[in-house]
Amino acid sequence: RKEVEQDPGPFNVPEGATVAFNCTYSNSASQSFFWYRQDCRKEPKLLMSVYSSGNEDGRFTAQLNRASQYISLLIRDSKLSDSATYLCVVRGDGGFKTIFGAGTRLFVKA
Amino acid sequence: DGGITQSPKYLFRKEGQNVTLSCEQNLNHDAMYWYRQDPGQGLRLIYYSQIVNDFQKGDIAEGYSVSREKKESFPLTVTSAQKNPTAFYLCASSRSGGEKLFFGSGTQLSVL
Repeated sequence: RKEVEQDPGPFNVPEGATVAFNCTYSNSASQSFFWYRQDCRKEPKLLMSVYSSGNEDGRFTAQLNRASQYISLLIRDSKLSDSATYLCVVRGDGGFKTIFGAGTRLFVKA
Repeated sequence: DGGITQSPKYLFRKEGQNVTLSCEQNLNHDAMYWYRQDPGQGLRLIYYSQIVNDFQKGDIAEGYSVSREKKESFPLTVTSAQKNPTAFYLCASSRSGGEKLFFGSGTQLSVL
């Protein structure tokens, strides 16, 4: 089992749609959780941190479920510019061990 | 503006050759990292450094070497022992171990 697993994708959605990505992690000692966005052949950029209480940033909502060891990302009112690969990132063991999911590709179409 | 600078953007390696990828940051971050990304795969950790003059192997360190002589700099050498070096290499830094990562723009390494 991979340490961090994501929905395989790709997700093809029309503009304005709501789309959700899930990510599961295997190490219950994991401490920090993030969603990054990566455009083709570019560096990953932090989209948002994920907190136990859940957090929202505009059209994006992230949730963490420690008991079930998964995190989620919800994108509402999808825009063409949301087309990218979304990476689930889990940090633990003192913070230096960072595990990246393989990413979920999103295509938003007009 | 503060950030991480990687160079070159594209690099070609001949068989048997060692090549060095540069990574410089002016964010005053203690921790620096090197990742490798292959098409359709997640990032894999090559080496990381928590502090100057100290570094640790990641999951795929074989065929690579690093140094951390200055806080700002963390160069990666891809040695001839790395038989499959073609990949996208990303350098990152963080203020400390649990903090979010900031990435450089990456170096695409290809074999001639």
